[in-house]
Parts: sequence; structure tokens; C-alpha cells
Amino acid sequence: QLQLQESGPGLVKPSETLSLTCTVSGGSISNSSYYWGWIRQPPGKGLEWIGSINHFGSIYHSPSLRSRVTTSVDTSKNQFSLKLSSVTASDTAMYYCASHKTSYYFDYWGQGALVTVSS
Amino acid sequence: DIQMTQSPSTLSASVGDRVTITCRASQSISSWLAWYQQRPGKPPKLLIYKASSLESGVPSRFTGSGSGTEFALTISSLQPDDSATYYCQQYNTYGTFGQGTKVEIK
Repeated sequence: QLQLQESGPGLVKPSETLSLTCTVSGGSISNSSYYWGWIRQPPGKGLEWIGSINHFGSIYHSPSLRSRVTTSVDTSKNQFSLKLSSVTASDTAMYYCASHKTSYYFDYWGQGALVTVSS
Repeated sequence: DIQMTQSPSTLSASVGDRVTITCRASQSISSWLAWYQQRPGKPPKLLIYKASSLESGVPSRFTGSGSGTEFALTISSLQPDDSATYYCQQYNTYGTFGQGTKVEIK
């Protein structure tokens, strides 16, 4: 069974870049069946898909965030990463990493990483 | 973008009640719909995919139905453990979530 764990700074200054990493265990990130995604949830609000990537480098980002999002995979570390540039207070959220197959429903989730954007 | 609208926003029911949450898509998504349960402080948990397929390990009291633009999640006999927020998600085009339905136990 896959396990995912987010890591990264919990506090980011406005206009800077948010960086998070998700470490996958219990399976290989190179598994061709899987995509690796990021979803966020502002405090007290709903869920927003940010983007997904597979180990072939196929990348899909939400149109509303596409200009600020970078995702990557590190197969040697069994990790994938998210970078969100030019952050503002509205980017404050719990950020989840999750897995999905060709269909974009998310079957395994990390516990989440709370990122606060504040000076 | 495909918009997902859930109703009601909040629901209060008693243990043993039959509960139904509805989800409407702004355009047809065939059966490309999932349902999740999220308890406070926890990540979402997949309950249903492809509108009506039960994820392994999920109790059979959870049932999904619908196709096209109208969908429903039904809990046949509400249990205390079902107190949570439920989200629908379309995956016809990437993934868009509904705004959530909070289910409370009376």
C-alpha cells in the first residue's frame, strides 16, 4: 500500500516561492500506472487540484495556477515536488500530495503540510 | 472549467437515518465522478469512484449513483463515525471538487 508524506517550510514570505516535497513509500514512483498530484485546501474551505505529474514527465497543471506552478519527479529519491511562485496570503493552505491513475481520482493521500504565507 | 455544486452545504441527521447528498456538474461528465470523506484534521478518503464503484474497504452503506450532470451519495444507515465533510470530484477533465457537505449527527 502506498504511503505519501509531504515535507517543506511551513512559513513562506509573500512574493517568494513555496516549495514542497512528497516522499513515496510502499511502491515505486516509476510505476507507469501512477500519476502524482498536489491538492490544496485553504483553512476552513474546500479542495483545489493544483497539478499532476508522472515519471515520464507528463505534466498537467490547473489552468488557474499554471503560470506559477512547477512540478518535478526525482526517481532516485522516490519523491516528487511542487513549487508555487509569487505567493500571496491567498496561497495559505494545507497542501496534500496524492496518487492517482490515468483517471484523476485520488486513491492515496499524504497527511498534508500546512503552509502559511506571511511576512 | 467544469463547476461542481453540492447540496446541501450542511446536513444534520440521526443515527440510523438514510442520508443523501447531491452533486451537480455544470456540463456532462459521464460517470467520471468520485466521492471523498474528510474528517477534521485528516486528508480526504476515497469512498466511491466512477460514480458508483465502491473503493475497497469502504462500508457498503455508502452508495453512489448518477451519470451525466446529476449525482448522489447515499448513506443507507448513518453511523456516528460518518460525521465528516463529503466532497464530490469530477475527473472528466482533470479534477474539480465540489464545495463540500458537512454531515452532523443529531
